[in-house]
Amino acid sequence: GIQVEQSPPDLILQEGANSTLRCNFSDSVNNLQWFHQNPWGQLINLFYIPSGTKQNGRLSATTVATERYSLLYISSSQTTDSGVYFCAVKETSGSRLTFGEGTQLTVNP
Amino acid sequence: NAGVTQTPKFRILKIGQSMTLQCTQDMNHNYMYWYRQDPGMGLKLIYYSVGAGITDKGEVPNGYNVSRSTTEDFPLRLELAAPSQTSVYFCASRLQGAEGYTFGSGTRLTVV
Repeated sequence: GIQVEQSPPDLILQEGANSTLRCNFSDSVNNLQWFHQNPWGQLINLFYIPSGTKQNGRLSATTVATERYSLLYISSSQTTDSGVYFCAVKETSGSRLTFGEGTQLTVNP
Repeated sequence: NAGVTQTPKFRILKIGQSMTLQCTQDMNHNYMYWYRQDPGMGLKLIYYSVGAGITDKGEVPNGYNVSRSTTEDFPLRLELAAPSQTSVYFCASRLQGAEGYTFGSGTRLTVV
């Protein structure tokens, strides 16, 4: 099946800093999503972005499907950004979402 | 519109016991999924369903069973619980043709 690799596995920031999270995948996809899992375990869908660039407030994401990677940018980070960020993809030939291992982000005040 | 509702939120089982994790959605989504998340790991697909009466195995189906008798409900059954099934279980749904997944709040299961 498709492989999804996220980096870095852990990231510690001071409030106000910017960061970039990366997701590499091993096959063609027609669905790519970024999720945030907050410290209480709730999964929130951030972006559906199989290609191109999207922005939502301080967060933005870019997917270069031809090169099989996606980036999630967090600007002016806040303590509420802490949690685990997951990338999930669906192969073009498949019917289910495969998750990466996540990036654990800690934003300190 | 409650979204995806999972019950119970927490449960402790003894080895060999069985239980059913409930999942209900009120968005008329035809696709439903069960994932498990082990500590420090991503989510792994257990079973999924593309509509009432249709189910299929995911990556890690062993030890579990599902049924989909209605569009709204997708229960996950654990038979003969084992410590390896200690995990957080998430149910999700989406509408065919739409790409956004809606997740429930999870069920934290401990098998002792």
